[in-house]
Amino acid sequence: AQKITQTQPGMFVQEKEAVTLDCTYDTSDQSYGLFWYKQPSSGEMIFLIYQGSYDEQNATEGRYSLNFQKARKSANLVISASQLGDSAMYFCAMREGGQAGTALIFGKGTTLSVSS
Amino acid sequence: NAGVMQNPRHLVRRRGQEARLRCSPMKGHSHVYWYRQLPEEGLKFMVYLQKENIIDESGMPKERFSAEFPKEGPSILRIQQVVRGDSAAYFCASSTGQGYEQFFGPGTRLTVL
Repeated sequence: AQKITQTQPGMFVQEKEAVTLDCTYDTSDQSYGLFWYKQPSSGEMIFLIYQGSYDEQNATEGRYSLNFQKARKSANLVISASQLGDSAMYFCAMREGGQAGTALIFGKGTTLSVSS
Repeated sequence: NAGVMQNPRHLVRRRGQEARLRCSPMKGHSHVYWYRQLPEEGLKFMVYLQKENIIDESGMPKERFSAEFPKEGPSILRIQQVVRGDSAAYFCASSTGQGYEQFFGPGTRLTVL
């Protein structure tokens, strides 16, 4: 079974609108972490936001927030007030277990296109 | 403070040649991870190393691939006798091993002709 599922291959949004990118995960661990990364066309991986499984509040970083619904095993990324520079591929990832030195498991990504 | 460095950024090899990809972690980081991204796919874990030790190589193909992280110098991912299916972007990430974040390098794009 897929550990990280991103069901939206592509999303389209207009500038200044908010957009939600979906991510569901599958793990039997009680301790885990969820990440979102942005990959622009230049190819680098840019860390956006992190949510720990024991964090009670949803993570926020500027225009990014993570809508964490533990019971549903979902960790959707919300981008408020989209900008043209937000056009990129977005990956959801998970670290299983409580150890910091654990590899990340990535979803297949969602391509976001922001138009003016 | 320089970030994670990878070189070369682009590498072209013919089938049967060897590819060597280098990764210099961030200063103070002793944990290195290698990931591979095939076209239109997410990143897939390959190997996790600490200085002079391979901790987890569960994602490494059994043949032709090897990795090291010597006491001095960068981590090296080595692919022997490359085939067209090895064409991909190879990312290195580093961490202190304490916190949760892994810092990614810019990647090496390998093309096998």
